[in-house]
Amino acid sequence: DGGITQSPKYLFRKEGQNVTLSCEQNLNHDAMYWYRQDPGQGLRLIYYSQIVNDFQKGDIAEGYSVSREKKESFPLTVTSAQKNPTAFYLCASSWTAEKLFFGSGTQLSVL
Amino acid sequence: EDQVTQSPEALRLQEGESSSLNCSYTVSGLRGLFWYRQDPGKGPEFLFTLYSAGEEKEKERLKATLTKKESFLHITAPKPEDSATYLCAVQADTSGTYKYIFGTGTRLKVLA
Repeated sequence: DGGITQSPKYLFRKEGQNVTLSCEQNLNHDAMYWYRQDPGQGLRLIYYSQIVNDFQKGDIAEGYSVSREKKESFPLTVTSAQKNPTAFYLCASSWTAEKLFFGSGTQLSVL
Repeated sequence: EDQVTQSPEALRLQEGESSSLNCSYTVSGLRGLFWYRQDPGKGPEFLFTLYSAGEEKEKERLKATLTKKESFLHITAPKPEDSATYLCAVQADTSGTYKYIFGTGTRLKVLA
């Protein structure tokens, strides 16, 4: 079945530690996105990529980094510079300018 | 500034009690309006896309409509399994880059 796979489902970060969230899609979509979801707030865009080896900052990119070496993969690293990383992280993909398909999310918490 | 506002924030309905959720938007260069359903701890699931004023889409007990300023998600005779958060998003054409703007959602609880 085609879809988007995010892992892990739950992740804990110690202070000063970088952690990486995985996102893989087999939908052959060109565009991929990372969103952050906090209670009572809308989804906020962290980074997006429209083609391999290219990505752009979203509205809240500070403290995060990404790579897009393969069409299928778009990992997100939450760095130690992100001081408030506790949130639900969602990866999505789409054909350019079409509806978003979302993964099942990763809940990141700080120890 | 591009903005999407959903109301109400939360809604409790008795099973069978029909109602509507609202999504109002201000955006330049609207390309499409999307409705999603999100269950707790899961990713949003696509429901509908609307592209132009007057357009309507239906799926089971749900019907989405669009005007130039807002969209409604009508829920007819809801069941407890319709309980979820419903998200609205608009896609704007910003200087050739397609940007999605999400509302904060409406949490729907349907009581048996």
